[in-house]
Amino acid sequence: EAGVVQSPRYKIIEKKQPVAFWCNPISGHNTLYWYRQNLGQGPELLIRYENEEAVDDSQLPKDRFSAERLKGVDSTLKIQPAELGDSAVYLCASSRAVTGVYEQYFGPGTRLTVT
Amino acid sequence: AQTVTQSQPEMSVQEAETVTLSCTYDTSESDYYLFWYKQPPSRQMILVIRQEAYKQQNATENRFSVNFQKAAKSFSLKISDSQLGDAAMYFCAYRTSGGSNYKLTFGKGTLLTVNP
Repeated sequence: EAGVVQSPRYKIIEKKQPVAFWCNPISGHNTLYWYRQNLGQGPELLIRYENEEAVDDSQLPKDRFSAERLKGVDSTLKIQPAELGDSAVYLCASSRAVTGVYEQYFGPGTRLTVT
Repeated sequence: AQTVTQSQPEMSVQEAETVTLSCTYDTSESDYYLFWYKQPPSRQMILVIRQEAYKQQNATENRFSVNFQKAAKSFSLKISDSQLGDAAMYFCAYRTSGGSNYKLTFGKGTLLTVNP
């Protein structure tokens, strides 16, 4: 089966500009996660979707970050305006369900550089 | 809140030798899951091995095995017969098994170098 697809793989923008990341999860996976991975750190969850509903967005900086998952499949994560501290790798992951030991499958990530 | 600590920022091993990566965690829960993920340079993170806390038997996947010490809250990864392709960043992760918080909590990672 195809894996989690993310685009773009790399993005360089100037601060105060907007940016958007796209994720296509594995077919049939109802749960979708967005993580941010700062340099030298492990990933940290930003938001989790169950189908099209955002059920955990407590770590999402809502003043500048937004996300959507229309029709419960693809998802977009947006930053507007971007700040220097937003430079990181943004990872998307998906799983069949939340309960049980269902594995989270990760995409290759989008490396964002804000100058 | 749960925390995961990987005390070895970097490790190296000779090809065909064995290496052990350390991980400790802090939780007040009795049932949970633990994972080791591998992240090669510029490539996606993949699951190496997982352990369910209620299982006393240590998980094994081919050359990868864990030493799960629940009382000590320790979860180390042993890689036997190391191969060049094992070179990567390795992350230990924790996940609750109940309630509404299903996020993975990751450690900071250990960069493994495999020398030919």
